[in-house]
Amino acid sequence: GAVVSQHPSRVICKSGTSVKIECRSLDFQATTMFWYRQFPKQSLMLMATSNEGSKATYEQGVEKDKFLINHASLTLSTLTVTSAHPEDSSFYICSVEEETQYFGPGTRLLVL
Amino acid sequence: EDQVTQSPEALRLQEGESSSLNCSYTVSGLRGLFWYRQDPGKGPEFLFTLYSAGEEKEKERLKATLTKKESFLHITAPKPEDSATYLCAVQAWGRGGSNYKLTFGKGTLLTVNP
Repeated sequence: GAVVSQHPSRVICKSGTSVKIECRSLDFQATTMFWYRQFPKQSLMLMATSNEGSKATYEQGVEKDKFLINHASLTLSTLTVTSAHPEDSSFYICSVEEETQYFGPGTRLLVL
Repeated sequence: EDQVTQSPEALRLQEGESSSLNCSYTVSGLRGLFWYRQDPGKGPEFLFTLYSAGEEKEKERLKATLTKKESFLHITAPKPEDSATYLCAVQAWGRGGSNYKLTFGKGTLLTVNP
């Protein structure tokens, strides 16, 4: 299956700052990537679908101005959490779909 | 709205003690049901895809089955390295377009003691 990487694996930031998370598809050209968020002991929740060369599609309740997604190439999608607050602290995971969805290793965000 | 419920929330087994995990689902037109394994602090690792009732898939000590309302993940003679959270997800046929979202359950935390 597709191999997906994420960077950074862990980030700590101060409240009010912005954080960028990268998702790379290493062996598959992905026109679509997915961004999920997982709170402790909760299920993965889809935040948005990232489309190469066009605007992302956000799930209901996800603020598009707060979670900026850029899918500039077939191998890279970025998620920027703008003006992060402690409630944004979570585990962010991206995936690509090659018949099934394959996930990256995740990024742990802690906002102080 | 698609829903996935997994049970039990947590399961402790002795090494070699076989058991099953349950995934009940409601979906408006099932495209596929997926099982993933997730280790602490890591992303989900793909295990199986099931597409239609009656289908079965096997991999080492794991066997996944599917009915019209639920799926089971059977673990035969588990080992400590099978300890992980097992996630179930469904994918429904969309109303349009080619991107189909996954709806996940909360998972079953499996601990296998030596």
